[in-house]
Amino acid sequence: DAGITQSPRHKVTETGTPVTLRCHQTENHRYMYWYRQDPGHGLRLIHYSYGVKDTDKGEVSDGYSVSRSKTEDFLLTLESATSSQTSVYFCAITGLADGEQYFGPGTRLTVT
Amino acid sequence: GQQVMQIPQYQHVQEGEDFTTYCNSSTTLSNIQWYKQRPGGHPVFLIQLVKSGEVKKQKRLTFQFGEAKKNSSLHITATQTTDVGTYFCAALTGTASKLTFGTGTRLQVTL
Repeated sequence: DAGITQSPRHKVTETGTPVTLRCHQTENHRYMYWYRQDPGHGLRLIHYSYGVKDTDKGEVSDGYSVSRSKTEDFLLTLESATSSQTSVYFCAITGLADGEQYFGPGTRLTVT
Repeated sequence: GQQVMQIPQYQHVQEGEDFTTYCNSSTTLSNIQWYKQRPGGHPVFLIQLVKSGEVKKQKRLTFQFGEAKKNSSLHITATQTTDVGTYFCAALTGTASKLTFGTGTRLQVTL
């Protein structure tokens, strides 16, 4: 694997609480991405980063914010979790050539 | 935004049968990538196609990119139980190596 870890791997939280998911890479890649995966929707891009402190919105960014203060860490925050944000969240990084992406193991988030 | 349609959503085959999944776009694609996700796992990159009409093989897997670069297919010959999983196509979109993923085809293989 490409040296990507995600934490936590599983989380159950209540509606209205803040949640932060962490993605950590050891490969020093410039680009990092957060996706959510839901049945029938495949993988949808939430936010991405193209460098330290450089981030931008993806397809489904409402309700989410991100930060990247170091090359190796990309944080995804749900300011006030809702049940519609129950999902599996994957972090990904771009490999060295051609834009193929390498994914972390995922975080299963349940909002009750 | 760009959309990539993938069919079928699900296919169940007997071991030894062939399997094909198709990916279609209304716009011309610069490239197409394919990923496999095992149940409970994360997507894993399989291959990238860039050229019009390109065909690449990986053992029993054959990947094709259409002449117009608007469609692609993945064909598995003589499926095995190890082929079980969901197969996604993904198209490079805009800048920063962003990808738009198809909805995936879930393959189930039984003995």
